[in-house]
Amino acid sequence: GQQVQQSPASLVLQEGENAELQCNFSTSLNSMQWFYQRPGGSLVSLFYNPSGTKHSGRLTSTTVIKERRSSLHISSSQTTDSGTYLCALERNSNNRIFFGDGTQLVVKP
Amino acid sequence: EAAVTQSPRNKVAVTGGKVTLSCNQTNNHNNMYWYRQDTGHGLRLIHYSYGAGSTEKGDIPDGYKASRPSQENFSLILELATPSQTSVYFCASGHTANSDYTFGSGTRLLVI
Repeated sequence: GQQVQQSPASLVLQEGENAELQCNFSTSLNSMQWFYQRPGGSLVSLFYNPSGTKHSGRLTSTTVIKERRSSLHISSSQTTDSGTYLCALERNSNNRIFFGDGTQLVVKP
Repeated sequence: EAAVTQSPRNKVAVTGGKVTLSCNQTNNHNNMYWYRQDTGHGLRLIHYSYGAGSTEKGDIPDGYKASRPSQENFSLILELATPSQTSVYFCASGHTANSDYTFGSGTRLLVI
């Protein structure tokens, strides 16, 4: 079965609203990383966050290993935040990383 | 600046032809990966490598070969390209453990 599940699959916001994106994993964890991808673009790393909370501007990532989840919070969304957000899990047993299917975010002006 | 560079950026190939996608990283990372990304399937791992001389099969290796001649370079080879291999291919690098991953800009491959 899928080891990394993201929710929601898609999200539409009005500019200024906040967003909470979730990533749940069904296996042991070595690391967790969040990426942002523009349509047709490459993946840009937002956070490398194996545990705890990290902040970067309007973005906050929180990983709770015991609960097997990681979240990405976007505050005061902007139209330029539109795109796909992917979480990726690296397992303890090897160095492979597993991606979720992503959350497609659209922020309307 | 450390980076992952893919070439070519775009490629049109003929069915049955040989295609080589190249990836170079200056991160001094041990691990390198090749993914393809298709609508409805997300990112799927094709091959990966733990270091020079090593290649491992990922989740969808059929129809692809990989080569890691050095720490910096990792190639993906399609010996007999098929239209089903039309996709966007991403290369990535990462350390052995406890490290974030860096992706290249992608290669758009069209097999006609």
